Amino acid sequence: GENVEQHPSTLSVQEGDSAVIKCTYSDSASNYFPWYKQELGKGPQLIIDIRSNVGEKKDQRIAVTLNKTAKHFSLHITETQPEDSAVYFCAALSLEYGNKLVFGAGTILRVKS
Amino acid sequence: NAGVTQTPKFQVLKTGQSMTLQCAQDMNHEYMSWYRQDPGMGLRLIHYSVGAGITDQGEVPNGYNVSRSTTEDFPLRLLSAAPSQTSVYFCASSSLAVQETQYFGPGTRLLVL
Repeated sequence: GENVEQHPSTLSVQEGDSAVIKCTYSDSASNYFPWYKQELGKGPQLIIDIRSNVGEKKDQRIAVTLNKTAKHFSLHITETQPEDSAVYFCAALSLEYGNKLVFGAGTILRVKS
Repeated sequence: NAGVTQTPKFQVLKTGQSMTLQCAQDMNHEYMSWYRQDPGMGLRLIHYSVGAGITDQGEVPNGYNVSRSTTEDFPLRLLSAAPSQTSVYFCASSSLAVQETQYFGPGTRLLVL
């Protein structure tokens, strides 16, 4: 089955700097890769996703890149702000259990002002 | 449109007790699922359902039961609570279309003593 690894587990950046979180996956058949942001005491919220027919997608300060050959994808946050502080999860869609999302272990992002 | 709702928000159980975690969605989604979230392990799929009357096991189903009598509701039952079931539980729903966005509820924090 699918396995997703996520790095780093914690990341501290200064306000205004960029943050990059990387994930690798094992199943070459996976073709949908969402990123979720989880704030304290809340459920994960989708912030951006990418499908295997594109290599990059941007939404304002957030971008995701996908390298299907190397089986890795990354989240890029530019001009970080204190409200970006949260736990970020990457995931890969596995058809093993219907619409099963296989999640990475998460990255705690702290933006210092 | 409330999205995905979960009750209770927090629960303390004694070992051996049983309880039901409630989940409801008002988006007419066919697919519903339960995840548990443990530190350093991301979210793991417990059970899922692709429609009313249809349920199946995820990757960590032992100790849990589910049923799906309506499209809207997907309760998770702990038959005999164990300390290993101390976790945060999230319900999610999505359209059955492949690669569709999954929406998460706010979570139920469970402590088993």
